[in-house]
Amino acid sequence: GAVVSQHPSWVICKSGTSVKIECRSLDFQATTMFWYRQFPKQSLMLMATSNEGSKATYEQGVEKDKFLINHASLTLSTLTVTSAHPEDSSFYICSAGPGLAGVTDTQYFGPGTRLTVL
Amino acid sequence: GEDVEQSLFLSVREGDSSVINCTYTDSSSTYLYWYKQEPGAGLQLLTYIFSNMDMKQDQRLTVLLNKKDKHLSLRIADTQTGDSAIYFCAEDNQAGTALIFGKGTTLSVSS
Repeated sequence: GAVVSQHPSWVICKSGTSVKIECRSLDFQATTMFWYRQFPKQSLMLMATSNEGSKATYEQGVEKDKFLINHASLTLSTLTVTSAHPEDSSFYICSAGPGLAGVTDTQYFGPGTRLTVL
Repeated sequence: GEDVEQSLFLSVREGDSSVINCTYTDSSSTYLYWYKQEPGAGLQLLTYIFSNMDMKQDQRLTVLLNKKDKHLSLRIADTQTGDSAIYFCAEDNQAGTALIFGKGTTLSVSS
C-alpha cells in the first residue's frame, strides 16, 4: 500500500530556534499534501494544504510566516516551524493521497513528528 | 461551521462488541471515515463509507451511517486487546479538500 514517511519522528529544540519537518510519499506521487497538528487528548486540526509548485493554503488562524510550507516535488513537502516557542510543542502529522488534487477519499498519513520546544 | 463530535471514552471486555458513535454537521460530505491511532503512532485508515451507503462491513468492522440524523457508528465485533487505541471519526470539509476530525474516542479493552 501507499506509504508516507515523516522525518524526524521526534525533535527537541530550544525556544527561538527553527525546526524543519519532512513529509515524503514513498511509492506514489502526491500533488497535494496536508499538514495537521494534534494537541494531547485533542483532535487533529488542519493547518494547511500544501500544493506542489505553488503556495500553500493556510487555515484560518494559522500564521503562514511562522509555519513555512514548501512542496518542492511530488514526493516531498516540508514544514518549518520558525522561532519555535513552548506553545508550538505538539504532534505534527502530514497526509498525502495518490488521487487527484482535492480528493480526500484515499489519504495516507505519516507516522507524525513530536516536537518539544524547551 | 463543520464539526464532528464523539464520546471520549469507551471501555469493553475482550470478546464483547464495541460501538463507537459519531455525529457530524456537514450534510454535503461525500465520504466519512474511521481512523485508528495507537499510542505514539500516526493515523491508520480503518475504513470509510460513501455518503449514499447505509452500511459497510469489513471483517470485524461494521460502519452504519444514518444520513438523516448525521450519525455514524463503528462496530468492532469480538473486540481484542490489540484494538485498544484512539478512534477518530472524520468527514470531508465542504470544499472536499481536507478532513475534519472528531476529538477521538479512547477504546480500552480489558481481558
